[in-house]
Amino acid sequence: AQTVTQSQPEMSVQEAETVTLSCTYDTSESDYYLFWYKQPPSRQMILVIRQEAYKQQNATENRFSVNFQKAAKSFSLKISDSQLGDAAMYFCAYEDSNYQLIWGAGTKLIIKP
Amino acid sequence: GAGVSQSPSNKVTEKGKDVELRCDPISGHTALYWYRQSLGQGLEFLIYFQGNSAPDKSGLPSDRFSAERTGGSVSTLTIQRTQQEDSAVYLCASSYGGAYNEQFFGPGTRLTVL
Repeated sequence: AQTVTQSQPEMSVQEAETVTLSCTYDTSESDYYLFWYKQPPSRQMILVIRQEAYKQQNATENRFSVNFQKAAKSFSLKISDSQLGDAAMYFCAYEDSNYQLIWGAGTKLIIKP
Repeated sequence: GAGVSQSPSNKVTEKGKDVELRCDPISGHTALYWYRQSLGQGLEFLIYFQGNSAPDKSGLPSDRFSAERTGGSVSTLTIQRTQQEDSAVYLCASSYGGAYNEQFFGPGTRLTVL
């Protein structure tokens, strides 16, 4: 069975600086999809970025980018120029062959002004 | 356009009572998902609908949990004889189905069982 591990329960970063959130996963499949979602205190889960495993190029969405290392089964999220509005829980998720998401436990990101 | 809505936003009930949680997905979304999120935890998959059918019910934690979806739209998650361990936030999401599609989430229902 697939598993997703986020080893950092909490991270903090100074406003305007860069932070990287870690995610590793375990799977025997060769083609799959990975996602980062953000959950602010409002509880509304929002997609941040996604990556197709067969694409070697790392996905980028404005200040958010990933470092996808397929062989290492690693999918970290880099947030550049951190803003106060980035404070939230960040969840890494793996989409299995049944189109279901398997979630990590989350990392709480604190932005220091 | 309208997003995914859930009702009620909060529900307090007594142990042993039945509760119904409602989810209204985004119009046109064929896939609908229910998750449970305990305090400070990640999401636990409960059930997935494609149209009105539920190909995967494996995540339902016990036979006290059931869900249905009618008209390919609204879904109801029912918990019978609630227990204190059922206390959690129940999240609903919808998507166009298939692989690599973004799931759009509702704000959740916070269930507290006393």
